[in-house]
Amino acid sequence: QVQLQESGPGLVKPSETLSLTCAVSGFSISSGHYWGWIRQTPGKGLEWIASIFYSGNTYYNPSLESRVTISVDTSKNQFSLKMGSVTAADTAIYYCAKHRDTGFDYDLAYWGQGTLVTVSP
Amino acid sequence: DIVMTQSPDSLAVSLGERATINCKSSQSLLYTSNNKNYLAWYQQRPGQSPKVLIYWASTRESGVPDRFSASGSGTDFTLTISSLQTEDVAIYYCQQYYSIPLTFGGGTTVEIK
Repeated sequence: QVQLQESGPGLVKPSETLSLTCAVSGFSISSGHYWGWIRQTPGKGLEWIASIFYSGNTYYNPSLESRVTISVDTSKNQFSLKMGSVTAADTAIYYCAKHRDTGFDYDLAYWGQGTLVTVSP
Repeated sequence: DIVMTQSPDSLAVSLGERATINCKSSQSLLYTSNNKNYLAWYQQRPGQSPKVLIYWASTRESGVPDRFSASGSGTDFTLTISSLQTEDVAIYYCQQYYSIPLTFGGGTTVEIK
């Protein structure tokens, strides 16, 4: 059974960098499949941020691409998100997820429980 | 970006009655080379993360009760709960994975009448 667990600071100051990690268990990231980050806010709902393949191939939401980096660490079976120059608008629940199959163009079949990140001085 | 529009925003249905949720995409989600619609439906119960119910527009996820069904093609899709149960109280989202950026509908809240 695939399990994903997000971790990272719950509070980030404006203009700083948000850093989150998703630890994967029950499935080897190196086996393939895409892994992604999605966030949820009351105002904008669910917003896909980025996805990455174990080899490092990435896809980004163009609206966030200039501030976001997604990376993978196969030795630790985890992947990460960095978002720079954060503002209050980046306050959200951040989820990590696994695409269903080996391609990017599949639904998000497994989700972590989510972690709340608040951007505040 | 493909805009996903759900309707209604919310609905209240009596236990055992049918609930129907609509989702419309601003562009066709049908990939003609494989005849697949790149659309999924998710359920988010209070305090939980989203959970996939349906993918490829009509394929039920393993373990999902058969009271959940979905249909549609191209730009118009429907999720139906044939006999509403208390555990179905949730927000339901459609999502397209046809093109970047992946986008979600605004959600439909289902409550018990």
